[in-house]
Amino acid sequence: RKEVEQDPGPFNVPEGATVAFNCTYSNSASQSFFWYRQDCRKEPKLLMSVYSSGNEDGRFTAQLNRASQYISLLIRDSKLSDSATYLCVVNGGTGFQKLVFGTGTRLLVSP
Amino acid sequence: DAEITQSPRHKITETGRQVTLACHQTWNHNNMFWYRQDLGHGLRLIHYSYGVHDTNKGEVSDGYSVSRSNTEDLPLTLESAASSQTSVYFCASSEWGQGFNTEAFFGQGTRLTVV
Repeated sequence: RKEVEQDPGPFNVPEGATVAFNCTYSNSASQSFFWYRQDCRKEPKLLMSVYSSGNEDGRFTAQLNRASQYISLLIRDSKLSDSATYLCVVNGGTGFQKLVFGTGTRLLVSP
Repeated sequence: DAEITQSPRHKITETGRQVTLACHQTWNHNNMFWYRQDLGHGLRLIHYSYGVHDTNKGEVSDGYSVSRSNTEDLPLTLESAASSQTSVYFCASSEWGQGFNTEAFFGQGTRLTVV
């Protein structure tokens, strides 16, 4: 089983739609969780960290479910500019300083 | 402002040549990582370092080596370049404290072509 797994998509949605991505992780002891955004093979950039209590940043909401070992990202009122690949990141490895990336979920928002 | 830079941004090399990709960060982060990204595989970890003189193998380390002589730099060396190593390479750095990782910052990537 991969350490971090994501549905590769693509998710095709119209502007204004709400879309959700899930990401599962295998190591129950992981403590750090992030969502990154990557545009057209440019460098990934942090979208948001994921906290145990869940957190929201504008149109974006991240949730953590430790019991089922998954994190989610909800995007409300999708914009054309949200079209990108969204990468789930979890810490792992001995000592847990290693950051493990999922393969990413591609989102395409159309007019 | 602190940053992380990679050089070169693009490189074409021949099979069998030794190639070194540079990564320099001014965040003063202890953790540094090298990833490669290929279609269908996402970001795969090549090597990583938790501090000076510390290096560790990632999931795709064969044919690559790194050394960490100071906090700022983690050069990635391809000992004998192969066509299978044609890829986009990203360097990243982060910090670790109280059991949690901080945000990782990425360089802009190096596009390597082995012919």
